[in-house]
This record gives sequence, structure tokens and C-alpha cells, in this order.
Amino acid sequence: LAKTTQPISMDSYEGQEVNITCSHNNIATNDYITWYQQFPSQGPRFIIQGYKTKVTNEVASLFIPADRKSSTLSLPRVSLSDTAVYYCLVGTTNTGGFKTIFGAGTRLFVKA
Amino acid sequence: NAGVMQNPRHLVRRRGQEARLRCSPMKGHSHVYWYRQLPEEGLKFMVYLQKENIIDESGMPKERFSAEFPKEGPSILRIQQVVRGDSAAYFCASSPQQDLTDEQYFGPGTRLTVT
Repeated sequence: LAKTTQPISMDSYEGQEVNITCSHNNIATNDYITWYQQFPSQGPRFIIQGYKTKVTNEVASLFIPADRKSSTLSLPRVSLSDTAVYYCLVGTTNTGGFKTIFGAGTRLFVKA
Repeated sequence: NAGVMQNPRHLVRRRGQEARLRCSPMKGHSHVYWYRQLPEEGLKFMVYLQKENIIDESGMPKERFSAEFPKEGPSILRIQQVVRGDSAAYFCASSPQQDLTDEQYFGPGTRLTVT
């Protein structure tokens, strides 16, 4: 499973756009990129997933360059409630089954 | 459709006792994953199960820890002879099938405290 590297923490203000970049230099051909969000004392929640180029949903956008060695989660106009830990994961199925590897994530602090 | 259920939400055990953590996956989901999270750290994969089968337990400590997902009933993570280092949040997740394109749905977690 490809290892990911993210910033440990980021600060932002309400209403700003936040971009969190994840490096995954060893991503494999079949790997997908998935982002989860976790609030304190809760389980992680799926945000978005992509394979290449750009994916957008009602919550976020995910930008993946052609070489796929990094990806950027974009949160438009963050609010205080977006303060959470954001995890970037890469992986795919394999013969033995699929397991998700979470790193330490990025702690986003949104200030008023 | 109820989400992933975990119980108890909080569990206190003395050293040497046994801890049993339960996880009921979402309806229709046949894949269950268990993770452990220490304070201020990310989630660590422990085990991946399908009904009546352990698929990948490479993240499970070799001793004292076991997991099952019987044909009927919830998945159980069992920790025997607990020690203070077992204190953590244990999360269960489920998915409908083995495919990265299917997101994992997480439960609220069980917070185990060993005194």
C-alpha cells in the first residue's frame, strides 16, 4: 500500500478556501485516492474519492495531476464546523483483501 | 437504514480483565474492519473480516486479541487480560463489498479505558 504524506496541521478562517495536499509518490496503477474527515470522538467519514483529474461533490473537490503522485483536497468556503482531522489514503483491492491505512492526517483549525 | 452500530460506547476494565467490543455493520454489508486509535494519532488497521472468515489480521497483536464475525450476530473484538496500553478508541467500519471504490462506513467507536 502506498504511503502518504500530509501536513500535520493547517489554520484557516471562516469563508476561505482550504487546500490540503497529499503526497503519494509510490501510488500504484490500480490505486484510488480517498479522503476521510474525522471529528473528535467520532468515527471517520468519507468525503471524496478519485482516480485521476478532478472529482467534485457537494462537499469538496479533489484534484489529481496526471502523474498521480499527489492529490489536493479543496474545501470551499470553510466554516467553524469544518475543524477536523482530514486523512488521505491510497489503495486498492488485493488478493488477500483490502485494508485501509490511515496516517496521522492533517488537523485543520478554522477560526472565526 | 441504520448506520454502523458499536457497543458499548465506553468500557472500563481493570488490568487482567477481558474486554468485548461489538460491531453491527450496516444492513447489507458483509465486510467488517476494526481499527484502533490512540489519542492524537491516526487509525491503525487491525483486522478485516467477512462473514465467518478472517481475511486479513496483519494488524492484530499476536497475543490476547481476537476477532470474529459469525454468520449471525455482530462482529466481536475480544481483548483478553487487558493492560493499560490497550486503552484506546476502537472503531469498526463496514462496506458492502471488497473494493476500494466502496467507501467504508465507520461506527462511533468504543472507548476502552483500562485502570
